[in-house]
Amino acid sequence: QITLKESGPTLVKPAQTLTLTCSFSGFSLTSMGVGVAWVRQPPGKALEWLGVVYWDGDPRYSPSLRSRLTITSDTSKNQVVLTVTDMAPEDTATYFCAHNRGIPMLRGILGFDYWGQGMLVTVSS
Amino acid sequence: DIQMTQSPSSLSASVGDRVTITCRASETITTYLNWYQQKPGKAPDLLIYAASSLQSGVSSRFSGSGSGTDFTLTISSLQPEDFATYYCQQTYTTPITFGQGTRLDIK
Repeated sequence: QITLKESGPTLVKPAQTLTLTCSFSGFSLTSMGVGVAWVRQPPGKALEWLGVVYWDGDPRYSPSLRSRLTITSDTSKNQVVLTVTDMAPEDTATYFCAHNRGIPMLRGILGFDYWGQGMLVTVSS
Repeated sequence: DIQMTQSPSSLSASVGDRVTITCRASETITTYLNWYQQKPGKAPDLLIYAASSLQSGVSSRFSGSGSGTDFTLTISSLQPEDFATYYCQQTYTTPITFGQGTRLDIK
């Protein structure tokens, strides 16, 4: 049974750094092809992919947010951490982490089959 | 970035209707196209992966087809629980991109 859960602050001030943790169970982030992705969704808007970290520690980021994002994994703790610097009101969104299924040599190609429940992060002074 | 364009953006239909949603990629993604269903306040659920493979546990009234740049999601006979927002997603290359969503509501 794969589960993921996001944790972190629900309210941050403008210009602050957001750190969210995705704690997961039921799979190993050392399995070839697997990744943990971050997706966000502003209220009433579409899903936006932020980035992913794969089993080999390789992170990939959204080009539009690359300068502000860091995604790291701690396989011993079964956690993935998302850091977003210089938060602004337009970063207000529900943030999800998800299991990104792949096959060896084709990382993450089979979609996001398990998701965390998501957490709403509001940016406001 | 590969742009994903869904049509229509919204759709009204009745229980029992057959519904088709289309998704077009700005360049070829072979068959690395996935479909999700999202209900208000919930995380998305994976319905179809690799264009036409049904995710385990998903009703067979959902089906997907297509390759290259053009894809479709078909719901063969709408049930009340199918009224939701649907997203396509390409996982052919990073950055991974989603369509803008198709909201399906009751006529």
